[in-house]
Amino acid sequence: KNEVEQSPQNLTAQEGEFITINCSYSVGISALHWLQQHPGGGIVSLFMLSSGKKKHGRLIATINIQEKHSSLHITASHPRDSAVYICPEKLTFGTGTRLTIIP
Amino acid sequence: NAGVTQTPKFRILKIGQSMTLQCTQDMNHNYMYWYRQDPGMGLKLIYYSVGAGITDKGEVPNGYNVSRSTTEDFPLRLELAAPSQTSVYFCASSFGAGSGYTFGSGTRLTVV
Repeated sequence: KNEVEQSPQNLTAQEGEFITINCSYSVGISALHWLQQHPGGGIVSLFMLSSGKKKHGRLIATINIQEKHSSLHITASHPRDSAVYICPEKLTFGTGTRLTIIP
Repeated sequence: NAGVTQTPKFRILKIGQSMTLQCTQDMNHNYMYWYRQDPGMGLKLIYYSVGAGITDKGEVPNGYNVSRSTTEDFPLRLELAAPSQTSVYFCASSFGAGSGYTFGSGTRLTVV
C-alpha cells in the first residue's frame, strides 16, 4: 500500500502570501490528483497530473515521478482559498492540509 | 451537465433501519466510488466499481452493499443502521483509474 505524507497538516497565512503544500509517497506513482474540500464540505478536483507542471489561475501543481513528490502552489493567496487540500494516491485519501488565509 | 447527483442530502435514521443512498452520473464515467468522511477525518473508500456489473470492496465495506446495474447509477445500501455509520457520504466518478474525479455534494447521515 502506498503511504501518502502530506505537509503541512495545518497552515495559516496572511492574504497575499505564496503558499506551498507538499505530498510525498512511499511507493512509485504514475499520476496523482489534487482536490480541494471547501468549508461547506463540497469537493472539487483541481488537477490531475502525471508529469511536469499544470497551472490554473493562481494555482500551480508540479510533480516529480522519480522523486515521488508533488507540490501545490497558490500565488497571491486569498481568504476564499481557505479549504482542505488533498492529494490522494489512487483510492487512498489522507486528511489533507487545512489552509486558512487571514485577511 | 448535472455531473454526479446524490440523494438525499440529509437523513436521520433510527438504529436498525435500512436505507439506500442514491448516486447518478451523466458523464458516461466507467468508475464510480462511495466514500465516507467522519468529522475531522479524511475520506475512506467503502466500495467502488470499474464498470456496470462489477463492484469491489474498499477499506470500510462492512455494513454496506452496492450494486452497479447501469453505467449511470451506483446506489449504496445500508442494512441495520448503527450509530457508527453516522457520517457524510460522498459519491464520485471518473472516466478511468488515472482520470480526474467528479464528486457529488454529499449525504449527511445521522443514526440515532
